Amino acid sequence: EPEVTQTPSHQVTQMGQEVILRCVPISNHLYFYWYRQILGQKVEFLVSFYNNEISEKSEIFDDQFSVERPDGSNFTLKIRSTKLEDSAMYFCASSEGILGGETQYFGPGTRLLVL
Amino acid sequence: SQQGEEDPQALSIQEGENATMNCSYKTSINNLQWYRQNSGRGLVHLILIRSNEREKHSGRLRVTLDTSKKSSSLLITASRAADTASYFCATDAWTGANNLFFGTGTRLTVIP
Repeated sequence: EPEVTQTPSHQVTQMGQEVILRCVPISNHLYFYWYRQILGQKVEFLVSFYNNEISEKSEIFDDQFSVERPDGSNFTLKIRSTKLEDSAMYFCASSEGILGGETQYFGPGTRLLVL
Repeated sequence: SQQGEEDPQALSIQEGENATMNCSYKTSINNLQWYRQNSGRGLVHLILIRSNEREKHSGRLRVTLDTSKKSSSLLITASRAADTASYFCATDAWTGANNLFFGTGTRLTVIP
């Protein structure tokens, strides 16, 4: 069964450094998403992406964040200058349809630790 | 905020018993989805129920949706130790936007 994959599974970085989290969505899906989960807290929406542009973003997704689909398979989340509070599990998800209400399939996550 | 809230926050049952988890939300929705998360791992999609559906089954899972009460329940029948996990409901906005709002989750422990 197709699945969303993410790399790396874990990343440790120093505050102020740039990190790029990578995702390979399910191949025939059209919508891509990033969510994050700070330890012990809810899963929070960051951004959705469709047709090579951001569809929606939350208040969390400020100028330090960017997303890109550099080729036909990868979907990346870049944090330009990491802060301690960016430490979290970051989940990529994808869905098939372009209408609201389609099932979102999540990857296993990247655990980011900012020191 | 549209985010759902699950209750109970934690539930501990014996293997073979049924587990019922509830979710409440605040605004109109297109659909509601239930996810499962093993400790420190990814989110696994369990079931999606649309706003015009009242009940849905998938294996040992039964989900109900009451849009008048803005609530949903997830029933796991004949629980197994492997069902031990956190269970989250997630709703999307009636506006058609695709982002999901997750609840706080119910931590289910099934004792062998």
